[in-house]
Amino acid sequence: SYELTQPPSVSVSPGQTASITCSGDRLGGKYACWYQQKPGQSPVLVIYQNNKRPSGIPERFSGSNSGNTATLTISGTQAMDEADYYCQAWDSSTVVFGGGTKLTVL
Amino acid sequence: QVQLQESGPGLVKPSETLSLTCTVSGGSTSSYYWSWIRQPPGKGLEWIGYIYNSGSTNYNPSLKSRVTISVDTTKNQFSLKLSAVTAADTAVYYCASNRVGPSRGWFDPWGQGTLVTVSS
Repeated sequence: SYELTQPPSVSVSPGQTASITCSGDRLGGKYACWYQQKPGQSPVLVIYQNNKRPSGIPERFSGSNSGNTATLTISGTQAMDEADYYCQAWDSSTVVFGGGTKLTVL
Repeated sequence: QVQLQESGPGLVKPSETLSLTCTVSGGSTSSYYWSWIRQPPGKGLEWIGYIYNSGSTNYNPSLKSRVTISVDTTKNQFSLKLSAVTAADTAVYYCASNRVGPSRGWFDPWGQGTLVTVSS
């Protein structure tokens, strides 16, 4: 079965750039999206179709996808961005989620 | 805008069937793709399956033998049944909407989630 691999944790200082990766076999040939989940809340879509931002998502969130890796980049990270982030893609009409990355802003 | 709300028992006994309903407002269940996704406490997200075209379904292969997703377009609801549950099925269960479908789609919005505990 298809797997997406994320680092368990990423740390970033306020105002700096955070990068969270998602790796999968030939992931660049698929569409990747990203969700943010804060404690006790439902996931929120922050990036879809590799690099598109839904309305209401700040411009500091961006995405890319090439080769075997999709990347979520948060520029000028703020304390409010501290959360779990999950990547998601499709494989043969089934949905696959990455294991999630805890972003710590310190 | 579309809003989703899960409902159902919060406690299910082992070996019994878990049943949940998602009520859709601001949109029609006769359109789009409607999914169930779960999250065990402290763990990641797991896709369960989706329904579309008012009845066609696709399930996670790891759960396929135990899962049934159905839709009631007259009530604008879709439902999840998971049979023969064990403690490993304890999770927050989310319903979510996908307007684009396989290969290209994303989940937005999500319901608030409902915790289902499997215990005797």
